[in-house]
Amino acid sequence: NAGVTQTPKFQVLKTGQSMTLQCAQDMNHEYMSWYRQDPGMGLRLIHYSVGAGITDQGEVPNGYNVSRSTTEDFPLRLLSAAPSQTSVYFCASRAYDYNSPLHFGNGTRLTVT
Amino acid sequence: GESVGLHLPTLSVQEGDNSIINCAYSNSASDYFIWYKQESGKGPQFIIDIRSNMDKRQGQRVTVLLNKTVKHLSLQIAATQPGDSAVYFCADNGSNDMRFGAGTRLTVKP
Repeated sequence: NAGVTQTPKFQVLKTGQSMTLQCAQDMNHEYMSWYRQDPGMGLRLIHYSVGAGITDQGEVPNGYNVSRSTTEDFPLRLLSAAPSQTSVYFCASRAYDYNSPLHFGNGTRLTVT
Repeated sequence: GESVGLHLPTLSVQEGDNSIINCAYSNSASDYFIWYKQESGKGPQFIIDIRSNMDKRQGQRVTVLLNKTVKHLSLQIAATQPGDSAVYFCADNGSNDMRFGAGTRLTVKP
C-alpha cells in the first residue's frame, strides 16, 4: 500500500504565483486534512474534509483553498503565494471514526521568495 | 479553543536510559489520545494510542499513561536507542478539528 502520497516533495515559488499541492490516499479514508509545520510551531491545521464534497476550515485557512471531488484526492491550492506561506505541508487521512489514528504523507517543502 | 501541549521542547537522554515525554490537554471531554513520532524529513507516524477508559497501555518498549484527573498523559520509552531520536507529538483525536502541540525533540546520546 502506498498510503498517503504527496507531490511535489519540494517547490520554490515567487510571490504572487499560484500552485496546487497534491495529496492522494489509497486507504479509502473518508477524512483528509492539511497541516503546515513551521519551526517551533508544531503542526497547524489548514483545512479538512470528512468526505467527498465536504470541506471545512481549520486553524489557519487564509490564503489556501481546497476541494474534495473524490475520496482519494484532496489538493491544496495557493492562489497567490506569499513569503509567509513558506513552510512544510503535510497531508493526512484517517477513517471517519475519530478513534483511529492519522496517516501522514512525507510532506511538501515549499519556499516562497 | 481546546489544545494539547507538551511540557518540554527538548529532551536529551543517554542511550539505554528510559525516556519520559509529558503532555497536557485542556478538553475534559477528550476520550482518545495518540502519540506520534516524526523523524527528520518525514511525516509523523503513529506510535501508540489510549482511550479514556484506560490509565495505561503498553506497546513494544513504549508505554502511555493517562491521568484524567489532571488532564495529563505521558509517553515512556524503555531502553532508549539512537533510532528513537525524533520529535514526538501528542494529539487529542476527539474531533475533526484536530490540534497538535509543538512537539518534544528527543535526542539520544551514545
